[in-house]
Amino acid sequence: DGGITQSPKYLFRKEGQNVTLSCEQNLNHDAMYWYRQDPGQGLRLIYYSQIVNDFQKGDIAEGYSVSREKKESFPLTVTSAQKNPTAFYLCASSRSTAGGWETQYFGPGTRLLVL
Amino acid sequence: QKEVEQDPGPLSVPEGAIVSLNCTYSNSAFQYFMWYRQYSRKGPELLMYTYSSGNKEDGRFTAQVDKSSKYISLFIRDSQPSDSATYLCAPKSGGATNKLIFGTGTLLAVQP
Repeated sequence: DGGITQSPKYLFRKEGQNVTLSCEQNLNHDAMYWYRQDPGQGLRLIYYSQIVNDFQKGDIAEGYSVSREKKESFPLTVTSAQKNPTAFYLCASSRSTAGGWETQYFGPGTRLLVL
Repeated sequence: QKEVEQDPGPLSVPEGAIVSLNCTYSNSAFQYFMWYRQYSRKGPELLMYTYSSGNKEDGRFTAQVDKSSKYISLFIRDSQPSDSATYLCAPKSGGATNKLIFGTGTLLAVQP
């Protein structure tokens, strides 16, 4: 089955710790995205990548880092600089970042909690 | 002013009711209008999309866009308990990026 997988489903972070969220897709999509979802605020874009070895900051990139070494993988690291990391993190992909009706397909999400 | 405004609800209706979910937006460059459905603790899934103004129907769902008033609607006929979810509108421009701007989502509960 084609789709997007995210792991782990739940993640706990201690103070001062960096944690990495995994996102893998087998849809052969060029573009991948990371969103953060908080209650009452909808989805906010953290980072996106149009091609391998290239990525751009979204609206709330501070305290996060990403890499795109392989087309199918786009891991997100939540660093200790992110002071309020508790949220639901969603990864998405699309065939391209071109305009038009091209839509994004989402993974099941990772819930990050701070201990 | 947010680019996309959406009433967060919750909206509670009896089974079989007609549901109207709405968004307003401020960016006149938006040309494509997506609706996503998100069940609790799951990722959003694309429900429908429309281009420019007009209506689009898919089974019990109808998406409507009025670009002159910057108003987006999703209608659900004969609502079912399985329709209980958060509905997110997400318009975007037709430019070089595929950036979606999400509303906050409206939580819908259909009571059996």
